[in-house]
Amino acid sequence: SQQGEEDPQALSIQEGENATMNCSYKTSINNLQWYRQNSGRGLVHLILIRSNEREKHSGRLRVTLDTSKKSSSLLITASRAADTASYFCATAPGNNDMRFGAGTRLTVKP
Amino acid sequence: KAGVTQTPRYLIKTRGQQVTLSCSPISGHRSVSWYQQTPGQGLQFLFEYFSETQRNKGNFPGRFSGRQFSNSRSEMNVSTLELGDSALYLCASSSFGRGQDTQYFGPGTRLTVL
Repeated sequence: SQQGEEDPQALSIQEGENATMNCSYKTSINNLQWYRQNSGRGLVHLILIRSNEREKHSGRLRVTLDTSKKSSSLLITASRAADTASYFCATAPGNNDMRFGAGTRLTVKP
Repeated sequence: KAGVTQTPRYLIKTRGQQVTLSCSPISGHRSVSWYQQTPGQGLQFLFEYFSETQRNKGNFPGRFSGRQFSNSRSEMNVSTLELGDSALYLCASSSFGRGQDTQYFGPGTRLTVL
């Protein structure tokens, strides 16, 4: 069963614009992770944010976490065509194994 | 360090056959998890192994099984294949597993069942 739900399901933007994706989850967590997947390939880890953190940055990526609302957002600034991919959030409720949302399909047009 | 490797990368089988997929984790990682990815169901957790023990299992029938060896390499087996088993099978390794740390994914094995 899935734990996280990403929103929107699909997002199309122009190169240089910012892209924001949201994730909601159901139960308490120790951390939340974001992954990227290029078409038909393995997932690449982007950021891990712990439950006691509110915001984390990595290059052009900014992740926020609001545990009171059980939600997280991923912001990609100054997007590039190479950012075209599916983005997933993942959590491990109760320290069980990681469950992934359905993902947001991001298309960045050159 | 070398990344997670999966073999084979592509596989075509017919209904009723069985298949074994292999995963070699990053050196030093003791946890290996397996996932099935399909367009309809998304990423579904299959099972996780840690130090040769299965710690958790997802909601899949008993036709799906796995094991882990002392060198942390893992295999998963699917018996009596069905058309619905066609999917991308991904394995991921980490130091501690159970979502406590970053998982590193292999490129996946694309299984097609005819």
